[in-house]
Amino acid sequence: GESVGLHLPTLSVQEGDNSIINCAYSNSASDYFIWYKQESGKGPQFIIDIRSNMDKRQGQRVTVLLNKTVKHLSLQIAATQPGDSAVYFCAEVWDTGKLIFGQGTTLQVKP
Amino acid sequence: DTAVSQTPKYLVTQMGNDKSIKCEQNLGHDTMYWYKQDSKKFLKIMFSYNNKELIINETVPNRFSPKSPDKAHLNLHINSLELGDSAVYFCASSPGRGNTIYFGEGSWLTVV
Repeated sequence: GESVGLHLPTLSVQEGDNSIINCAYSNSASDYFIWYKQESGKGPQFIIDIRSNMDKRQGQRVTVLLNKTVKHLSLQIAATQPGDSAVYFCAEVWDTGKLIFGQGTTLQVKP
Repeated sequence: DTAVSQTPKYLVTQMGNDKSIKCEQNLGHDTMYWYKQDSKKFLKIMFSYNNKELIINETVPNRFSPKSPDKAHLNLHINSLELGDSAVYFCASSPGRGNTIYFGEGSWLTVV
């Protein structure tokens, strides 16, 4: 079916701590996944992506993990900063080009 | 040098009116999209065009009509606006199917 879910609607972390945002997807045929960050009043901004032939991909302070066995995706943010406060969406891309979004997790960073 | 730009950013209009939202991308992408974000932040695809050809048309009322004059532009026209049309509409583009999709900054539509 068309659903990508996130486990927690809101995540609150202390500045400097690591953040982990989780996502479960339902389409086992999906082979491309993207994490987006959406700040208030702005559009979704690409953070990092991963294809299904990989288990892990690292960017600057961010890491995406993919577990195809349990259809689970996670975004790890190292040393979380106030500027990381936003809504985070995972999304799966179908080969038709359709991008299916999860409901979003709000990350709040406490100073 | 905004990659995906859409206008207007804010639009307040009365029920029954007809309005358009314009979108342009300067990334040279072949595929463009319209997404709708509701009050609960849920993002859902409405339409997708590839090289001016409609390839995705979700269950959207006929009052919504996309138009792509060329592959760099995808406009959204909405007839007979209803209160439930109030949302944020995002234009997006990508190099093609199965590739990263880049979003514009959104158009906040409020129907009163």
